Amino acid sequence: QVQLQESGPGLVKPSGTLSLTCAVSGGSISSSNWWSWVRQPPGKGLEWIGEIYHSGSTNYNPSLKSRVTISVDKSKNQFSLKLSSVTAADTAVYYCARRGYDYIWGSYRYYFDYWGQGTLVTVSS
Amino acid sequence: QSALTQPASVSGSPGQSITISCTGTSSDVGGYNYVSWYQQHPGKAPKLMIYDVSNRPSGVSNRFSGSKSGNTASLTISGLQAEDEADYYCSSYTSSSTLFVFGTGTKVTVL
Repeated sequence: QVQLQESGPGLVKPSGTLSLTCAVSGGSISSSNWWSWVRQPPGKGLEWIGEIYHSGSTNYNPSLKSRVTISVDKSKNQFSLKLSSVTAADTAVYYCARRGYDYIWGSYRYYFDYWGQGTLVTVSS
Repeated sequence: QSALTQPASVSGSPGQSITISCTGTSSDVGGYNYVSWYQQHPGKAPKLMIYDVSNRPSGVSNRFSGSKSGNTASLTISGLQAEDEADYYCSSYTSSSTLFVFGTGTKVTVL
């Protein structure tokens, strides 16, 4: 059973950089899956931030692209998120998630089948 | 890319059936069979309930079903139970550069 666990500071100062890591267990980050970050402001809906493949290829939400960097560390079986120039609007629960893959058809799927438990990041001075 | 439109709330009595709609455009919901649905209890991570419009992952109750007509997808919960009370989000692949778009979310209340 694949498990994902987010970790990182729960408080970041305005204009600073938010940094989170997602550790993957029960499976390999080098499998045929894309690995995503999704966030949810308090009391609001979900927003996809971006994703990475074990090769290092990335896709980002255009609304955040100028401030986001997602990287992968295959040796530690984890991937990370950096969000720069944060403001109060970036306060949210941040989830890491795995995008599905169909091993029968050999195709990437457009849903998230495993999620971390989420970590609240507050932007405040 | 705007969020997909869902009703803010839907309610029903135990045993009843309810349906949650998710309206998008031909660039997302209407153009591809890549709609998924997630259940989220308070303080918990989302859980995949339906993928590719109407497929259930292993372990998800067959009381949950999905469908799509045009630019609107729907999630139906039959035989409503107290444990179904949660927030529900739809999601779709989008041909815009955003790649994924989520719905606005629907709070399901079991009366």
